[in-house]
Amino acid sequence: GAGVSQSPSNKVTEKGKDVELRCDPISGHTALYWYRQSLGQGLEFLIYFQGNSAPDKSGLPSDRFSAERTGGSVSTLTIQRTQQEDSAVYLCASSVATGTKRGYQETQYFGPGTRLLVL
Amino acid sequence: LAKTTQPISMDSYEGQEVNITCSHNNIATNDYITWYQQFPSQGPRFIIQGYKTKVTNEVASLFIPADRKSSTLSLPRVSLSDTAVYYCLVPGRGSTLGRLYFGRGTQLTVWP
Repeated sequence: GAGVSQSPSNKVTEKGKDVELRCDPISGHTALYWYRQSLGQGLEFLIYFQGNSAPDKSGLPSDRFSAERTGGSVSTLTIQRTQQEDSAVYLCASSVATGTKRGYQETQYFGPGTRLLVL
Repeated sequence: LAKTTQPISMDSYEGQEVNITCSHNNIATNDYITWYQQFPSQGPRFIIQGYKTKVTNEVASLFIPADRKSSTLSLPRVSLSDTAVYYCLVPGRGSTLGRLYFGRGTQLTVWP
């Protein structure tokens, strides 16, 4: 079956513009995650969804960042008034669920990412 | 979130066994330990997960001592295609379900 897809694969924008990044999770996966990876760095957790709700938004770096998920499927990460420090690869992942018990992590399946460059 | 400590980089040659050790001193009683692999320009990929002793799959083995404060990912007979970044993940005390801390991982470079 199809894996996680993300669009666009690359995005170049000017400072101050808004951008929308899209993630299509694996069909049937109820959990969806957004991460950010700057050059040479590890993954920075941004937000995750269980269904359409986001129990943990604390990873969003500022109020310029927002995310939504509708119909328990597609998710959109929006960055308003982009800054140069927002340049990074934005990765989306999905899993069957977030885990039925604390400590156990369901396997996360990652998309190829969206490479964002803010000029 | 649990902090994990891994070597920043490792080098190996084709055909050798590679062991990458991760320290997770504040692992919680119920925490599982998970390892992911990331190739350049790709998202991470799940390799293996374990709770205690030893877990083996077609890709790797995971060794976890009794105190569970560390774990070792073992890759048998590596090839050039195993060159990647390897992440050790532990949820940690007070973590929110679904939130993982990837850290910077270990860059493994396999030479011919």
